[in-house]
Amino acid sequence: EVQLVESGGGLVQPGGSLRLSCAASGFTFNNYWMSWVRQAPGKGLEWVANIKQDGSEKYYVDSVKGRFTISRDNAKNSLFLQVNSLTTEDTGVYYCARFPVSDYGQPLGFDYWGQGSLVTVSS
Amino acid sequence: DIQMTQSPSSLSASVGDRVTITCRASQGISNYLAWFQQKPGKAPKSLIYAASSLQSGVPSKFSGSGSGTDFTLTISSLQPEDFASYYCQQYYAYPLTFGGGTRVEVK
Repeated sequence: EVQLVESGGGLVQPGGSLRLSCAASGFTFNNYWMSWVRQAPGKGLEWVANIKQDGSEKYYVDSVKGRFTISRDNAKNSLFLQVNSLTTEDTGVYYCARFPVSDYGQPLGFDYWGQGSLVTVSS
Repeated sequence: DIQMTQSPSSLSASVGDRVTITCRASQGISNYLAWFQQKPGKAPKSLIYAASSLQSGVPSKFSGSGSGTDFTLTISSLQPEDFASYYCQQYYAYPLTFGGGTRVEVK
């Protein structure tokens, strides 16, 4: 059974930092692109970042470029999101999601999601 | 960036109704379109990818169609467990973008 379990969220002051983690199990982690998606309270979904299987390619939404860093440790089946210089607009639930790509390199969209980790930025 | 516009933003329906939600992309995205269901306080659930392919385990009452810029999600016979919010998302180009969501409520 595929499982994605996020951790590391919490209350942080504006300008602060956090490191979110996502522990993956039930599949061969290093075969998959992985993603972070967030959702502000009462709002819709917003894609944040993607990372290739070997970490060689990373993509970010403009609003987090230079502040957030996606990374992974394939030996530990773990995905990370380092979030720095936080503002109140970064408040929300952060989900990790699996992003499969076909053998021909065609993306197939998110298939599995974690339960989310809440980040609250407030003074 | 590719803008995804969903309509309606909310709808009221009854159990047994056929429900259709539309999603329009601001430029052609071929069939790189997914649909998700989300219930309050829960993580999104993936329903459809490649515009019309059901994710594993998703019941056949859900169907998707479209290509290019116009897409639809249809629920053939609404059941109590289907009252939720639904989102479309394009993965044709970065940044990946979601529609604003459609809330399906009890009539």
